[in-house]
Amino acid sequence: QAALKESGPVLVKPTETLTLTCTVSGFSLSSSRMGVSWIRQPPGKALEWLANIFSNDEESYNPSLTNRLTISKDTSKSQVFLKMTNMDPVDTATYFCARIDLGYASVHFDSWGQGTLVAVSS
Amino acid sequence: IQMTQSPSSLPASVGDRVTLTCRASQSIGYYLNWYQQKPGKAPKVLIYGASSLQSGVPSRFIGSGFGTDFTLTINSLQPEDFATYFCQQSFTKPTFTFGQGTKVEVK
Repeated sequence: QAALKESGPVLVKPTETLTLTCTVSGFSLSSSRMGVSWIRQPPGKALEWLANIFSNDEESYNPSLTNRLTISKDTSKSQVFLKMTNMDPVDTATYFCARIDLGYASVHFDSWGQGTLVAVSS
Repeated sequence: IQMTQSPSSLPASVGDRVTLTCRASQSIGYYLNWYQQKPGKAPKVLIYGASSLQSGVPSRFIGSGFGTDFTLTINSLQPEDFATYFCQQSFTKPTFTFGQGTKVEVK
């Protein structure tokens, strides 16, 4: 049973850099079928996909945020990291990590963390 | 690719059959997934590949469509089905986009 859990600060100041950690269990980050994504959701709003990382270290980013995002992983620790620079109040959101299973033609997020709410305020 | 869901809000009663719509700005084949999200919880995948039911999801959830127009039908709405539903396209993998959601609420 796959499980994911996000951790990181609950409050960051404008212009600061946010670093989030997703700790996974029940699957390996070295599995060629699996990847991990970060997805966020401002309060009361829609989901927004942010970034992916796969076993071969291939990274993908939302084109509208690519210059602010860096995704990375530590396979030995079963952790995936997301760094977002120059935080702004509009970045206030719940940040989720989710597993991608590439074994399906229609790739989908089949397991999710509980999410972590990050507020951006001075 | 933009994903547009309608309606944004859908008042319904237990036992109703409800239909939610998701439209893509260009053809995405059958690369369309549906998620259910309850307040304060993470989304849960219901349907992938436009019509395939995720393991453990009740058979009253039915997905259909191809190309640009997709529907999620819930037969005989149950109390636990009041939630927000999102569609997501995977045609452009490894980048993805979600629709803005449809909230199924109590009439």
